Amino acid sequence: GAVVSQHPSRVICKSGTSVKIECRSLDFQATTMFWYRQFPKQSLMLMATSNEGSKATYEQGVEKDKFLINHASLTLSTLTVTSAHPEDSSFYICSAQGGRDEKLFFGSGTQLSVL
Amino acid sequence: AQTVTQSQPEMSVQEAETVTLSCTYDTSESDYYLFWYKQPPSRQMILVIRQEAYKQQNATENRFSVNFQKAAKSFSLKISDSQLGDAAMYFCAYISLFGNEKLTFGTGTRLTIIP
Repeated sequence: GAVVSQHPSRVICKSGTSVKIECRSLDFQATTMFWYRQFPKQSLMLMATSNEGSKATYEQGVEKDKFLINHASLTLSTLTVTSAHPEDSSFYICSAQGGRDEKLFFGSGTQLSVL
Repeated sequence: AQTVTQSQPEMSVQEAETVTLSCTYDTSESDYYLFWYKQPPSRQMILVIRQEAYKQQNATENRFSVNFQKAAKSFSLKISDSQLGDAAMYFCAYISLFGNEKLTFGTGTRLTIIP
């Protein structure tokens, strides 16, 4: 089946640094990719939707200058958390939509811990 | 805006028994998909089952089946012959076929399997 690779799976960084998370669709072209954030014991909250070659659409309350999303190709989207702070610590999950029947596939997630 | 409600934060079931997880949703649209996703301790999101709203027949996938009541906007998941590997968070989700195609998740139900 279709696979979405998300890297890194875990990252620890100092406050003020930037962190980049990659999401790749390995065997299909993803027309749309989504980025979610999940706090402990909570549901997934959509942060933004990205389409290849165009600007991402951010959900209300999500700072686009803080969470930079780049969807440079049909197989790669990146989320960069700029000037990370402890409150940005969370589990980030990407999903990619594509393939023959436009199904949705999830990456394995990235646990970000900001010290 | 569409909303998805899971009224059972936690459920438990004896191994080999049957359990039903509840989900209701609110939408004004007539064409949409409903999903149940499983999130085990690894936190990988796994699609359990999908239902197209235009189909009257309830979807089934091996031990997993749904009871889709479109008029009542209800979409429950039945797990038969529960196994230890079924222990996970289960999220109900909705996506419209029109307009902004974003996946909306419920708050989740934590399922515990009692050996």
